[in-house]
Amino acid sequence: DVVLTQTPSILSATIGQSVSISCRSSQSLLDSDGNTYLYWFLQRPGQSPQRLIYLVSNLGSGVPNRFSGSGSGTDFTLKISGVEAEDLGVYYCMQATHAPNTFGAGTKLELK
Amino acid sequence: QVQLKESGPGLVQPSQTLSLTCTVSGFSLTSYSVHWVRQHSGKSLEWMGRMWSDGDTSYNSAFTSRLSISRDTSKSQVFLKMNSLQTEDTGTYYCARGSGMDAWGQGASVTVSS
Repeated sequence: DVVLTQTPSILSATIGQSVSISCRSSQSLLDSDGNTYLYWFLQRPGQSPQRLIYLVSNLGSGVPNRFSGSGSGTDFTLKISGVEAEDLGVYYCMQATHAPNTFGAGTKLELK
Repeated sequence: QVQLKESGPGLVQPSQTLSLTCTVSGFSLTSYSVHWVRQHSGKSLEWMGRMWSDGDTSYNSAFTSRLSISRDTSKSQVFLKMNSLQTEDTGTYYCARGSGMDAWGQGASVTVSS
């Protein structure tokens, strides 16, 4: 199975600070159809995960544009440009290029 | 609007079978796939399997021998059945819509204990 390694595991930030989370894959996530099936999710405390980013860099419906995704191949990044209080929680990357879908271990974003 | 809701027993005895239902609204099961994802308390997410829009299924090989996913399109429901439950199957089970998992249910908490 594809292993996704997220760093850091814990991220302390102040409100308004810009932060980045890395997701590194054990295999290239570029599919033979030309798409890269890499997604980002946020799970707020006590809630279900919600999708933020799809296909590396596409913002999900209703997701604030302070979130952005980038990367290719095996290295991907989620950036939050100006953390807000509602952004706190655990962020997961997920790949769906190679069966089975796999998730990273998560990055917990907390207030400094 | 799009909604998914998991339901099922909160407590299951070891060695017994878990049966969960995902009831969806706001979209058709013949147009979107539905995934099942598990989360152990405080841990990451684990993909279990998928009901495709055409009725086909895919499973994580970690569960293949004891997991079954089915559906009733007339009732907009997707079912998960997993047998031979052990204490390590305790967790929260989610269903999620589509290839991009753009909508999730609130989760069903399952405890495996005697």
